[in-house]
Amino acid sequence: AQSVTQPDIHITVSEGASLELRCNYSYGATPYLFWYVQSPGQGLQLLLKYFSGDTLVQGIKGFEAEFKRSQSSFNLRKPSVHWSDAAEYFCAVVGNEKLTFGTGTRLTIIP
Amino acid sequence: DAGVIQSPRHEVTEMGQEVTLRCKPISGHNSLFWYRQTMMRGLELLIYFNNNVPIDDSGMPEDRFSAKMPNASFSTLKIQPSEPRDSAVYFCASRLTSGQETQYFGPGTRLLVL
Repeated sequence: AQSVTQPDIHITVSEGASLELRCNYSYGATPYLFWYVQSPGQGLQLLLKYFSGDTLVQGIKGFEAEFKRSQSSFNLRKPSVHWSDAAEYFCAVVGNEKLTFGTGTRLTIIP
Repeated sequence: DAGVIQSPRHEVTEMGQEVTLRCKPISGHNSLFWYRQTMMRGLELLIYFNNNVPIDDSGMPEDRFSAKMPNASFSTLKIQPSEPRDSAVYFCASRLTSGQETQYFGPGTRLLVL
């Protein structure tokens, strides 16, 4: 069965600083990988996805993620965070039609 | 497109009462998923449907939970009787079709069972 690990429960960064959120997955075949963002009291919004092809994928809101098969990773990055990026971020992998989520990383932005 | 629609957005009920959560998927989407989110267990898949047919309900916690999809534009998740441990946020998501793996989520129903 597939699994996702997000090792960082909570990250705090200054506004304007760069960001990297870590995600490691376990899946036997070529994975379909996703990053979702959840603002307080809201549903999950898709940031970006990787199915195949270019290992660096661009998403909405200036986010990007890089798929590294050798490291079983799909880390999310943003060069300069904004206060509105404060939210919870979930990495997910699809296997047998089911989405399996990581436990999430809560991002706090300080002025 | 209106996106996935869920109702009610908030529900407060007393233990033992029946609770019905509703979901309208994105028009044209053939797959529908119900998830539960809690602090302790994170996001869990409860059940999903393809073309209105339940495919996998292994995540449904117990017989008190049931889900139906009578047509392509409507699904319900029912809890009867409800218990305080059912308090959670319940999300519905839809997907265009099997093989198109992106799921789109509704805003969720926040359930509190007293």
